[in-house]
Amino acid sequence: QVQLVESGGGLVQPGGSLRLSCGASGFTFSDHYMSWVRQAPGKGLEWISYISGSDNYIYYADSVKGRYTISRDNAENSLYLQMNSLRAEDTAVYYCVRVDHDALGALDIWGQGTMVTVSS
Amino acid sequence: DIVMTQSPDSLAVSLGERATINCKSSQSVLYSSNNKNYLAWYQQRPGQPPQLLIYWASTRESGVPDRFSGSGSGTDFTLTISSLQAEDVAVYFCQQYYDTRWTFGQGTKVEIK
Repeated sequence: QVQLVESGGGLVQPGGSLRLSCGASGFTFSDHYMSWVRQAPGKGLEWISYISGSDNYIYYADSVKGRYTISRDNAENSLYLQMNSLRAEDTAVYYCVRVDHDALGALDIWGQGTMVTVSS
Repeated sequence: DIVMTQSPDSLAVSLGERATINCKSSQSVLYSSNNKNYLAWYQQRPGQPPQLLIYWASTRESGVPDRFSGSGSGTDFTLTISSLQAEDVAVYFCQQYYDTRWTFGQGTKVEIK
């Protein structure tokens, strides 16, 4: 079945770095844009980045631009998020999300999420 | 960025009654070349990741019960649950994908009265 599994979350100090990974299965990974969406504890959803299937289109939210880098490895069916210069306000559950192939921007498959906590 | 504003922030509805959630965008999300509204709705049950309910403002995702419906165009949209069931207790979010930077509404919490 279609599945996304995130890993790499944890506790990191302010100013530190973390790399999230997302393994995809059950669909042709390279056919889909992929995205990261985060949710701070008790808060709403915040889109942070997406990448096209052939990684020629990449966009970031202003809140993470210059600090985060999204990438993908289609041979490994994997999506990544490199997070640098982390701040307390980056504390959130980070979801790996598949973008609908036809409704480009609708987020049709979500992982269970991985928690990132930025604290000293 | 396009700002998405939902109303109300929360509502309590009796089982079997109608629930209506509104979403307003700060600019139109209707793309004139294909006459499609770049608007989606999601349901997030407690402790779960969000789930896509509606895209193109009114197209139900496969497997979504037909008591869920989406309507509206341009800047004003509505998600309607025609007959609230216990499993519909959740937070509902709208999202625009018209702009290259996608944005969500703040969420509407639906509870049983």
